Amino acid sequence: IAGITQAPTSQILAAGRRMTLRCTQDMRHNAMYWYRQDLGLGLRLIHYSNTAGTTGKGEVPDGYSVSRANTDDFPLTLASAVPSQTSVYFCASAAGGPTDTQYFGPGTRLTVL
Amino acid sequence: GQNIDQPTEMTATEGAIVQINCTYQTSGFNGLFWYQQHAGEAPTFLSYNVLDGLEEKGRFSSFLSRSKGYSYLLLKELQMKDSASYLCAVGNTGGFKTIFGAGTRLFVKA
Repeated sequence: IAGITQAPTSQILAAGRRMTLRCTQDMRHNAMYWYRQDLGLGLRLIHYSNTAGTTGKGEVPDGYSVSRANTDDFPLTLASAVPSQTSVYFCASAAGGPTDTQYFGPGTRLTVL
Repeated sequence: GQNIDQPTEMTATEGAIVQINCTYQTSGFNGLFWYQQHAGEAPTFLSYNVLDGLEEKGRFSSFLSRSKGYSYLLLKELQMKDSASYLCAVGNTGGFKTIFGAGTRLFVKA
């Protein structure tokens, strides 16, 4: 693994189903983030984690949950998907906090029908 | 409140210079970032300004005025590969958060 990876690349999901998007980084970064990107709205922060064991809510957290059991992994779970969660999801990591450059994963394109 | 404004789209000619503006209102300002994002790809870091003034990095320069809540990204000697979205983002001391603007889509034409 080099950098930050996400899985799956894309997914079509039926409404009401549970889905976990995976994110793994090998840079030993403390901070990790989940964003969704929708046309005309830019990147919106869903949840973040300053360091392993801690998480926080971003701008649009409803319907999503995260965990940070270790430094490398930061999965995002949709407990019961709805069509409005159709989006492109980017995971990012940074060495420290908001003054540090964020490195983004390749993204997951999720469609909820 | 927190708000970042940048133009939705711009068009420029190959070889020319283009300036993409960004204005922001945020509490606890902690630096301003510019990211580049090609269609279908992830954003990648271009520049970071925390003090007023101009930061030059090759063909790209970024300017910041904290008192005016204003930044611009200057792209010189435009190339076709510069066609992309450019995202202005502000670091916020109120939690570990970076606020992103909606992005400016730049089209470079021959």
